[in-house]
Amino acid sequence: DAGVIQSPRHEVTEMGQEVTLRCKPISGHDYLFWYRQTMMRGLELLIYFNNNVPIDDSGMPEDRFSAKMPNASFSTLKIQPSEPRDSAVYFCASSFTGTRFGTDTQYFGPGTRLTVL
Amino acid sequence: KQEVTQIPAALSVPEGENLVLNCSFTDSAIYNLQWFRQDPGKGLTSLLLIQSSQREQTSGRLNASLDKSSGRSTLYIAASQPGDSATYLCAVLNSGNTPLVFGKGTRLSVIA
Repeated sequence: DAGVIQSPRHEVTEMGQEVTLRCKPISGHDYLFWYRQTMMRGLELLIYFNNNVPIDDSGMPEDRFSAKMPNASFSTLKIQPSEPRDSAVYFCASSFTGTRFGTDTQYFGPGTRLTVL
Repeated sequence: KQEVTQIPAALSVPEGENLVLNCSFTDSAIYNLQWFRQDPGKGLTSLLLIQSSQREQTSGRLNASLDKSSGRSTLYIAASQPGDSATYLCAVLNSGNTPLVFGKGTRLSVIA
């Protein structure tokens, strides 16, 4: 398997523009997580899905952020309109319910580095 | 709310030295604890996973210990090498298939 795939790897945009980040989880995984990493706050959860259904979006900063998972192999994180404070690295991760009890782990994509000017 | 703290935030050591990275967490009712490595501009690589019922895990020169009752974990790196230079992140899973709660990491530099 190719692992978790994220695109684009780098995105530079201007304030006010719409940004869409994409994620393809590992085939067969039924959980998908979106995290954001900044120097100040470290890695924080934004939202996660189980079987394509959002379970917890309490980490989404505000209404400018939205996430969808239309099918088991694709998810998007959209920011509209973008602001300079959204600049960060956004990671997608996936996991599988059927792992042996206690051994649950998440597999991370390479991240998308977003810069909003 | 689970909080994870890592000390020190940065560490610089000469090559060959043994070192310990520390992680503490506030809620001891964890499911498992993981140590990740992150190279600059890269994603996260899982190094070791310790289940809540375990005390330690070893992989090569790495040894991670877990003391749930005191809310602490340590990552021991033996005979450090320049290639070990990276940020090491500790993360806790409170229950199965829930979000990881991360510390802010320790940035390690091993000087040749």
